[in-house]
Amino acid sequence: GAVVSQHPSWVICKSGTSVKIECRSLDFQATTMFWYRQFPKQSLMLMATSNEGSKATYEQGVEKDKFLINHASLTLSTLTVTSAHPEDSSFYICSARDIPAPNTEAFFGQGTRLTVV
Amino acid sequence: KQEVTQIPAALSVPEGENLVLNCSFTDSAIYNLQWFRQDPGKGLTSLLLIQSSQREQTSGRLNASLDKSSGRSTLYIAASQPGDSATYLCAVCNQGGKLIFGQGTELSVKP
Repeated sequence: GAVVSQHPSWVICKSGTSVKIECRSLDFQATTMFWYRQFPKQSLMLMATSNEGSKATYEQGVEKDKFLINHASLTLSTLTVTSAHPEDSSFYICSARDIPAPNTEAFFGQGTRLTVV
Repeated sequence: KQEVTQIPAALSVPEGENLVLNCSFTDSAIYNLQWFRQDPGKGLTSLLLIQSSQREQTSGRLNASLDKSSGRSTLYIAASQPGDSATYLCAVCNQGGKLIFGQGTELSVKP
């Protein structure tokens, strides 16, 4: 299957700082990528849809000014958590499809564990 | 609003048993349903993808079924092994390509 890579796999930052997470499609081009968040023992919640060359589409309740998404190329999307606070500590995962259609398999990155202290 | 429910939340079985994980969804207007495996602290590994027009898919010891009209899917694992221990997630895909996930079933296979 297609490979999606996330970096870093874990990060610890101080409250008030910003953290950038990268999501790369290694062997395919992705016009759309998705960002999810997962709290311990809970399922994945979609945060936003990242569209190459245009603004991201955020789900209801997700602050777009806090979670900045940039999809500057067909193989890279970034999520920046700005002015991070302890409540932002979570597991963030991105996904992409190698074929831009809903009826294809979604591939996921390995996730990024963010801890804000 | 689409809601996905997985039962049971946790399951513990002895090695060698066959088992069934259940997934239900409230809106039958889906494009496909996908089953994933997640190991602790890791990302998701895709196991099986069933298109809305299909009834089942098989991969090795795994078999997934889909009954779109009743909003149900099952994941059957044959001859379970300790290495199968993980959290299993089902997700349905809507028109925008978004995946809506269930809460997962945490499976433990005891040697």
